[in-house]
Amino acid sequence: GIQVEQSPPDLILQEGANSTLRCNFSDSVNNLQWFHQNPWGQLINLFYIPSGTKQNGRLSATTVATERYSLLYISSSQTTDSGVYFCAVCSGTYKYIFGTGTRLKVLA
Amino acid sequence: DAGVTQSPTHLIKTRGQHVTLRCSPISGHKSVSWYQQVLGQGPQFIFQYYEKEERGRGNFPDRFSARQFPNYSSELNVNALLLGDSALYLCASSLGGYLRYGYTFGSGTRLTVV
Repeated sequence: GIQVEQSPPDLILQEGANSTLRCNFSDSVNNLQWFHQNPWGQLINLFYIPSGTKQNGRLSATTVATERYSLLYISSSQTTDSGVYFCAVCSGTYKYIFGTGTRLKVLA
Repeated sequence: DAGVTQSPTHLIKTRGQHVTLRCSPISGHKSVSWYQQVLGQGPQFIFQYYEKEERGRGNFPDRFSARQFPNYSSELNVNALLLGDSALYLCASSLGGYLRYGYTFGSGTRLTVV
């Protein structure tokens, strides 16, 4: 089955810093989402981005489907950005495969 | 509009018992999917239901079953609980049966088996 790898696995930032999170996948996909899991466990949808570039405030994402990767950019990070970021991909029709996650901690 | 709602939020059960978890999708969403997330890992797919029919099943034993009701709400049932079933169980709803519309997740049910 499709493999999804995220890097880096852990990241510690000072408030105000920028960061780039990467998601590599081993096969072609037709759907891709980025999620932020908060300390209470809820998965918050950040972007539905099977291809192209999207921006939402301080966050933006780019997926290059032909090269099998996606990037999530966080600018001017805040302590509330802390948590785990997951990339999830779908190569069929009914299920997502989640990556291993990037654990982000933003220090005040 | 309410988001995806799951109940209960927390649950403690004893090995061998049975548990039922519930999920109500976003109004207008006809598809519900269930995921299991063990501590420190990403969520793993269990089931997808669309229009009350099972559309997909992950690599989980037959102790796991689910169903979807006419109002599109769903139940996940787990029989003969094992310690390894302790996890966060997440429900996600989507507009259609295909994921091109993406998912919205609920807050999850944290199950502890002792």
